[in-house]
Amino acid sequence: NAGVTQTPKFRILKIGQSMTLQCTQDMNHNYMYWYRQDPGMGLKLIYYSVGAGITDKGEVPNGYNVSRSTTEDFPLRLELAAPSQTSVYFCASSYGTGRTSYEQYFGPGTRLTVT
Amino acid sequence: AQSVTQPDIHITVSEGASLELRCNYSYGATPYLFWYVQSPGQGLQLLLKYFSGDTLVQGIKGFEAEFKRSQSSFNLRKPSVHWSDAAEYFCAVRESGGYNKLIFGAGTRLAVHP
Repeated sequence: NAGVTQTPKFRILKIGQSMTLQCTQDMNHNYMYWYRQDPGMGLKLIYYSVGAGITDKGEVPNGYNVSRSTTEDFPLRLELAAPSQTSVYFCASSYGTGRTSYEQYFGPGTRLTVT
Repeated sequence: AQSVTQPDIHITVSEGASLELRCNYSYGATPYLFWYVQSPGQGLQLLLKYFSGDTLVQGIKGFEAEFKRSQSSFNLRKPSVHWSDAAEYFCAVRESGGYNKLIFGAGTRLAVHP
Protein backbone atom coordinates (compact mmCIF):
# COMPACT_ATOMS: atom_id res chain seq x y z
CA ASN A 1 0.00 0.00 0.00
CA ALA A 2 1.22 3.47 -0.88
CA GLY A 3 -0.94 4.99 1.88
CA VAL A 4 -1.73 8.67 1.32
CA THR A 5 0.00 10.32 -1.63
CA GLN A 6 0.07 14.01 -2.50
CA THR A 7 1.17 15.91 -5.58
CA PRO A 8 2.98 18.16 -6.19
CA LYS A 9 5.61 18.24 -3.45
CA PHE A 10 6.46 21.89 -4.08
CA ARG A 11 4.80 24.68 -5.99
CA ILE A 12 5.27 28.41 -6.44
CA LEU A 13 2.22 30.41 -7.49
CA LYS A 14 1.80 34.02 -8.43
CA ILE A 15 -0.89 36.05 -6.69
CA GLY A 16 -4.24 35.47 -8.37
CA GLN A 17 -3.34 32.14 -9.95
CA SER A 18 -5.28 28.96 -9.25
CA MET A 19 -4.17 25.41 -8.67
CA THR A 20 -5.33 22.01 -7.45
CA LEU A 21 -3.49 19.97 -4.85
CA GLN A 22 -4.02 16.28 -5.41
CA CYS A 23 -4.53 13.67 -2.70
CA THR A 24 -5.10 9.94 -3.11
CA GLN A 25 -5.38 7.13 -0.57
CA ASP A 26 -5.43 3.40 -1.22
CA MET A 27 -6.60 2.20 2.21
CA ASN A 28 -10.33 2.39 1.42
CA HIS A 29 -10.80 5.00 4.13
CA ASN A 30 -14.13 6.79 4.24
CA TYR A 31 -12.88 9.94 5.93
CA MET A 32 -10.41 12.36 4.37
CA TYR A 33 -9.05 15.72 5.51
CA TRP A 34 -7.04 18.71 4.35
CA TYR A 35 -4.87 20.67 6.77
CA ARG A 36 -2.54 23.59 6.50
CA GLN A 37 0.51 23.90 8.71
CA ASP A 38 2.01 27.26 9.56
CA PRO A 39 5.06 27.75 11.83
CA GLY A 40 4.13 27.71 15.52
CA MET A 41 0.44 27.15 14.73
CA GLY A 42 0.14 23.39 14.53
CA LEU A 43 -2.25 21.99 11.93
CA LYS A 44 -5.53 23.67 11.07
CA LEU A 45 -8.37 21.78 9.36
CA ILE A 46 -9.44 23.29 6.03
CA TYR A 47 -12.05 20.82 4.76
CA TYR A 48 -12.99 17.25 5.40
CA SER A 49 -15.07 14.55 3.73
CA VAL A 50 -16.92 11.59 5.20
CA GLY A 51 -17.48 9.83 1.91
CA ALA A 52 -17.83 10.30 -1.82
CA GLY A 53 -20.00 13.31 -2.53
CA ILE A 54 -19.98 14.57 1.08
CA THR A 55 -17.72 17.39 2.20
CA ASP A 56 -17.80 19.99 4.95
CA LYS A 57 -15.84 23.01 6.12
CA GLY A 58 -13.22 22.89 8.80
CA GLU A 59 -11.72 25.69 10.83
CA VAL A 60 -10.08 27.68 7.98
CA PRO A 61 -11.99 27.05 4.69
CA ASN A 62 -11.89 30.54 3.15
CA GLY A 63 -10.11 30.64 -0.20
CA TYR A 64 -10.34 26.89 -0.77
CA ASN A 65 -12.71 24.41 -2.34
CA VAL A 66 -12.88 20.63 -2.35
CA SER A 67 -14.70 17.81 -4.08
CA ARG A 68 -14.88 14.07 -3.47
CA SER A 69 -16.11 12.11 -6.45
CA THR A 70 -14.44 8.82 -5.44
CA THR A 71 -13.42 7.17 -2.18
CA GLU A 72 -9.76 7.41 -3.14
CA ASP A 73 -9.37 11.04 -4.23
CA PHE A 74 -9.85 14.31 -2.38
CA PRO A 75 -8.42 17.28 -4.32
CA LEU A 76 -8.07 20.75 -2.80
CA ARG A 77 -8.60 23.74 -5.07
CA LEU A 78 -7.09 27.17 -4.48
CA GLU A 79 -8.81 29.96 -6.39
CA LEU A 80 -7.15 33.38 -6.69
CA ALA A 81 -4.08 32.51 -4.64
CA ALA A 82 -3.02 35.03 -1.98
CA PRO A 83 0.24 35.34 0.00
CA SER A 84 -1.70 34.27 3.13
CA GLN A 85 -2.07 30.84 1.53
CA THR A 86 1.67 30.25 1.62
CA SER A 87 1.86 27.17 3.81
CA VAL A 88 2.48 23.44 3.92
CA TYR A 89 -0.62 21.44 3.08
CA PHE A 90 -1.28 17.95 4.39
CA CYS A 91 -3.89 15.46 3.32
CA ALA A 92 -4.94 12.72 5.73
CA SER A 93 -7.42 9.87 5.89
CA SER A 94 -9.00 7.62 8.49
CA TYR A 95 -11.48 4.79 8.83
CA GLY A 96 -15.14 5.67 9.16
CA THR A 97 -17.84 4.50 11.53
CA GLY A 98 -17.91 0.93 12.72
CA ARG A 99 -14.19 0.83 13.33
CA THR A 100 -12.36 1.41 16.59
CA SER A 101 -9.24 2.80 14.99
CA TYR A 102 -9.55 6.57 15.04
CA GLU A 103 -6.14 7.78 14.04
CA GLN A 104 -5.44 9.68 10.86
CA TYR A 105 -2.84 8.70 8.29
CA PHE A 106 -0.96 11.57 6.67
CA GLY A 107 0.54 12.23 3.28
CA PRO A 108 4.01 13.76 2.83
CA GLY A 109 2.72 17.29 2.26
CA THR A 110 2.80 19.99 -0.41
CA ARG A 111 4.86 23.12 0.22
CA LEU A 112 3.15 26.05 -1.49
CA THR A 113 4.57 29.54 -1.86
CA VAL A 114 2.46 32.41 -3.22
CA THR A 115 4.41 35.47 -4.35
CA ALA B 1 -14.38 24.42 23.31
CA GLN B 2 -11.84 21.65 23.08
CA SER B 3 -8.19 22.63 22.90
CA VAL B 4 -4.69 21.22 23.18
CA THR B 5 -1.78 23.10 24.70
CA GLN B 6 1.86 22.22 24.28
CA PRO B 7 3.64 24.65 26.60
CA ASP B 8 7.13 24.11 25.23
CA ILE B 9 7.75 25.46 21.73
CA HIS B 10 11.35 24.29 21.60
CA ILE B 11 13.33 21.79 23.71
CA THR B 12 16.97 20.83 23.47
CA VAL B 13 18.36 17.70 25.10
CA SER B 14 21.64 15.84 24.94
CA GLU B 15 21.79 12.46 23.26
CA GLY B 16 21.20 9.74 25.85
CA ALA B 17 19.28 12.04 28.19
CA SER B 18 15.67 11.44 29.13
CA LEU B 19 12.85 13.40 27.52
CA GLU B 20 9.41 14.56 28.56
CA LEU B 21 7.19 16.62 26.26
CA ARG B 22 4.15 18.18 27.86
CA CYS B 23 0.59 18.17 26.56
CA ASN B 24 -2.54 19.50 28.25
CA TYR B 25 -6.02 19.15 26.83
CA SER B 26 -9.41 20.63 27.45
CA TYR B 27 -12.25 18.15 27.14
CA GLY B 28 -15.18 17.18 29.36
CA ALA B 29 -15.42 13.45 28.78
CA THR B 30 -12.74 10.79 28.36
CA PRO B 31 -10.61 12.02 25.49
CA TYR B 32 -9.06 10.14 22.61
CA LEU B 33 -5.46 11.38 22.57
CA PHE B 34 -2.61 11.05 20.10
CA TRP B 35 1.03 11.91 19.70
CA TYR B 36 2.41 12.39 16.20
CA VAL B 37 5.99 13.03 15.09
CA GLN B 38 7.05 15.03 12.04
CA SER B 39 10.61 14.63 10.82
CA PRO B 40 11.99 17.48 8.71
CA GLY B 41 10.29 17.65 5.32
CA GLN B 42 8.04 14.71 6.11
CA GLY B 43 4.41 14.06 6.93
CA LEU B 44 3.11 13.16 10.36
CA GLN B 45 3.59 9.68 11.78
CA LEU B 46 1.57 8.29 14.68
CA LEU B 47 3.71 7.53 17.74
CA LEU B 48 0.99 6.34 20.09
CA LYS B 49 -2.63 6.78 21.10
CA TYR B 50 -4.85 6.56 24.16
CA PHE B 51 -8.53 5.65 24.07
CA SER B 52 -9.22 3.93 27.39
CA GLY B 53 -7.82 1.39 29.83
CA ASP B 54 -4.23 1.42 31.01
CA THR B 55 -3.16 5.03 31.43
CA LEU B 56 0.44 4.29 30.42
CA VAL B 57 0.62 3.58 26.71
CA GLN B 58 3.58 2.35 24.73
CA GLY B 59 4.34 3.53 21.24
CA ILE B 60 6.85 3.11 18.49
CA LYS B 61 10.52 4.13 18.65
CA GLY B 62 10.67 3.58 22.42
CA PHE B 63 8.20 6.34 23.31
CA GLU B 64 5.52 6.13 25.99
CA ALA B 65 2.88 8.51 27.28
CA GLU B 66 0.85 8.70 30.45
CA PHE B 67 -2.74 9.88 30.63
CA LYS B 68 -3.53 11.77 33.84
CA ARG B 69 -7.16 12.77 34.05
CA SER B 70 -6.70 14.83 37.23
CA GLN B 71 -4.13 17.00 35.46
CA SER B 72 -5.72 16.92 31.99
CA SER B 73 -2.34 15.86 30.68
CA PHE B 74 -0.91 13.36 28.23
CA ASN B 75 2.86 13.79 28.43
CA LEU B 76 5.22 11.99 26.10
CA ARG B 77 8.38 10.40 27.48
CA LYS B 78 11.47 8.58 26.33
CA PRO B 79 14.17 7.31 28.72
CA SER B 80 17.13 7.83 26.37
CA VAL B 81 16.99 10.14 23.36
CA HIS B 82 18.76 9.34 20.09
CA TRP B 83 19.96 11.93 17.57
CA SER B 84 17.35 10.61 15.13
CA ASP B 85 14.58 11.72 17.51
CA ALA B 86 15.16 15.35 16.50
CA ALA B 87 11.80 16.34 15.00
CA GLU B 88 8.59 18.20 15.75
CA TYR B 89 6.08 16.51 18.02
CA PHE B 90 2.35 17.16 17.99
CA CYS B 91 -0.24 16.24 20.58
CA ALA B 92 -3.84 15.94 19.36
CA VAL B 93 -7.30 15.19 20.73
CA ARG B 94 -10.23 13.75 18.81
CA GLU B 95 -13.09 16.22 18.45
CA SER B 96 -16.32 15.37 20.23
CA GLY B 97 -18.29 16.05 17.05
CA GLY B 98 -17.07 12.84 15.47
CA TYR B 99 -15.72 12.04 12.01
CA ASN B 100 -12.35 11.47 13.69
CA LYS B 101 -11.49 15.14 13.38
CA LEU B 102 -8.44 16.10 15.38
CA ILE B 103 -7.48 19.25 17.25
CA PHE B 104 -3.73 19.70 17.30
CA GLY B 105 -1.43 21.51 19.65
CA ALA B 106 1.07 24.00 18.24
CA GLY B 107 3.88 21.45 18.41
CA THR B 108 7.19 21.10 20.24
CA ARG B 109 10.40 21.14 18.25
CA LEU B 110 13.03 18.83 19.70
CA ALA B 111 16.73 19.37 19.07
CA VAL B 112 19.27 16.73 20.16
CA HIS B 113 22.86 17.65 20.98
CA PRO B 114 25.53 14.99 20.40
